[in-house]
Amino acid sequence: KQEVTQIPAALSVPEGENLVLNCSFTDSAIYNLQWFRQDPGKGLTSLLLIQSSQREQTSGRLNASLDKSSGRSTLYIAASQPGDSATYLCAGHETGYKLSFGAGTTVTVRA
Amino acid sequence: DTGVSQDPRHKITKRGQNVTFRCDPISEHNRLYWYRQTLGQGPEFLTYFQNEAQLEKSRLLSDRFSAERPKGSFSTLEIQRTEQGDSAMYLCASSLSGNQETQYFGPGTRLLVL
Repeated sequence: KQEVTQIPAALSVPEGENLVLNCSFTDSAIYNLQWFRQDPGKGLTSLLLIQSSQREQTSGRLNASLDKSSGRSTLYIAASQPGDSATYLCAGHETGYKLSFGAGTTVTVRA
Repeated sequence: DTGVSQDPRHKITKRGQNVTFRCDPISEHNRLYWYRQTLGQGPEFLTYFQNEAQLEKSRLLSDRFSAERPKGSFSTLEIQRTEQGDSAMYLCASSLSGNQETQYFGPGTRLLVL
C-alpha cells in the first residue's frame, strides 16, 4: 500500500518568500503524482500532475519535481502571496486511478 | 464545462438515519471516484467507477455504504444507519481515462452525524 508523507505539517512565511513543500512516498512504482490545493472547508483544486516518465512540471509560479528513485516530490511556489495561503496535498496515483494522499501542508503567507 | 458538482453541500442527520449524496462529474469523463476526508487528514479512497461499472471498493466501505452510477453519468453514495464515525467530508472526483488521468474534484458534501 502506498504511504504518502508530507513534511512540514504547517508552514508560515512572509509575503514574497519562496515556498518549498515536500512529499515522500514509499512505493517507487508510482504511476503519476498530483499536487492539489485545498481552501478551508472546500474541495480540492488540481495544481500540477507529473507523469511517471517526467521529472518536473511548471505552471506560472508553481514548479513540481518528481524523483521516483528516492520517492520524493517537491512543490516550489515562487514569490508567495497571501492568496497562496491554503493546504497543499500531494497524491500518488496507484495503478493509474486510485489516489493515495498525504495529510497536507498548511501554508500561511503573512502580508 | 461546469466542473464536478455535488449535492447537498452540507448534511446534518441523526445517528441511525440513512443519507444519500449525489455527484455529477464533468460530462465527458468516464471515471468517477468517491473519497472521504476527516479533519486534518488527506482524502481516503472509497470506490471507483468506469462508466457504470464499479471496479473497486475500499475496505473502508462497510456494508452500510453503497454507491451506484446507473447510466455512467451521475453517481450516488448512500450511507445506511449512519454512525457518528461517518461524520466527514465526502468528495467526488472524475477523470477521463488516458495517459494523464488528472482527477478533478467537486466541492464535497460535509456530513455531520449527531
